[in-house]
Amino acid sequence: EADIYQTPRYLVIGTGKKITLECSQTMGHDKMYWYQQDPGMELHLIHYSYGVNSTEKGDLSSESTVSRIRTEHFPLTLESARPSHTSQYLCASSETIRWETQYFGPGTRLLVL
Amino acid sequence: AQTVTQSQPEMSVQEAETVTLSCTYDTSESDYYLFWYKQPPSRQMILVIRQEAYKQQNATENRFSVNFQKAAKSFSLKISDSQLGDAAMYFCALADTNAGKSTFGDGTTLTVKP
Repeated sequence: EADIYQTPRYLVIGTGKKITLECSQTMGHDKMYWYQQDPGMELHLIHYSYGVNSTEKGDLSSESTVSRIRTEHFPLTLESARPSHTSQYLCASSETIRWETQYFGPGTRLLVL
Repeated sequence: AQTVTQSQPEMSVQEAETVTLSCTYDTSESDYYLFWYKQPPSRQMILVIRQEAYKQQNATENRFSVNFQKAAKSFSLKISDSQLGDAAMYFCALADTNAGKSTFGDGTTLTVKP
């Protein structure tokens, strides 16, 4: 199994709250990604990073923000959660050279009431 | 822009039988990679098989093999001797070396019947 971790695994929170979804990997991968996935549906890339201090927006517009201060850590933040943010969020990472193969975390299932 | 299309939202197979999942893609790049990922219910997404576009030989990984038709832009996954543990959602993905990111299909949910 890949050494990539996400916490919390499940989160139920009220509208308007600020939340941070954590993602960490111990593989020394430079590239990291955040995907949004509704249950049983396709993945949408919302953020990615080439390395420390690099953050890029993905294909799907998102109100979330990310930061990459350390190689192993790529947290995603929602300043004010809304019911429309209810989804599963998957974090992934890949090597610099063989970046094409991604390793996924277990995901965080977010429910905003 | 690159696209990945999985035309089968759901498939089912009898245990020990063979099933083929379809995937077509479109890209203007000549250098790219294709993948099949497996996402079991409530479990981590993992790589099943990977194919480099420049390789003509179809990739195989134990019971999993692909039929890569570059001219037709087709990349199907064949699962032989299906097992109950193969039940999952399968995603086809295309990685464009120039774009530096991957595009995923909508997924195919595979059910394995005992």
